[in-house]
Amino acid sequence: GENVEQHPSTLSVQEGDSAVIKCTYSDSASNYFPWYKQELGKRPQLIIDIRSNVGEKKDQRIAVTLNKTAKHFSLHITETQPEDSAVYFCAAISPGGGNKLTFGTGTQLKVEL
Amino acid sequence: SAVISQKPSRDICQRGTSLTIQCQVDSQVTMMFWYRQQPGQSLTLIATANQGSEATYESGFVIDKFPISRPNLTFSTLTVSNMSPEDSSIYLCSVDPTHSNEQFFGPGTRLTVL
Repeated sequence: GENVEQHPSTLSVQEGDSAVIKCTYSDSASNYFPWYKQELGKRPQLIIDIRSNVGEKKDQRIAVTLNKTAKHFSLHITETQPEDSAVYFCAAISPGGGNKLTFGTGTQLKVEL
Repeated sequence: SAVISQKPSRDICQRGTSLTIQCQVDSQVTMMFWYRQQPGQSLTLIATANQGSEATYESGFVIDKFPISRPNLTFSTLTVSNMSPEDSSIYLCSVDPTHSNEQFFGPGTRLTVL
């Protein structure tokens, strides 16, 4: 089955700096890669996703890039703000997996003032 | 997206007992998913619940421990049976309302087993 690795496990940045979180996946057939943000005590919230036919996608301060050859994808947050502080999870879906999400281990992002 | 609710939001249970968690969606969805999130950990899929068929369980999860019902296209239940402290987790349901792989999560049920 699919295996997703995520780095780093913790990330601390100064407000206004950029943050990058990286994930690798094992199944070359995987075709959908979402990113979730989970604030303390809250549900995971879908913030951006990318499909395998696209190399990059942006939504205001967040962007995701996908390198199918290397089987890795990254989340980029620019001009970070304190409200960006949360745990971020990457995930992947492989076509043969029945639409199930395989999650990375999560990245605790802390944006410091 | 979809409006998803779960009941209860939290519970404290004694070992050896069972708890049934409900997941309600405001629209009809084909597949509902149940996840477990242990303290400080990532999300792990327990099973996929399709209306009108048996749930599909992931490796490490069995029907006797986590029986699932899916009586209609807007509702599902997950039962955690014969609980032990190791079952203390957050249990979340999710749905893909547009069949586009975009999954949205319910608020979760925080279970503590003493």
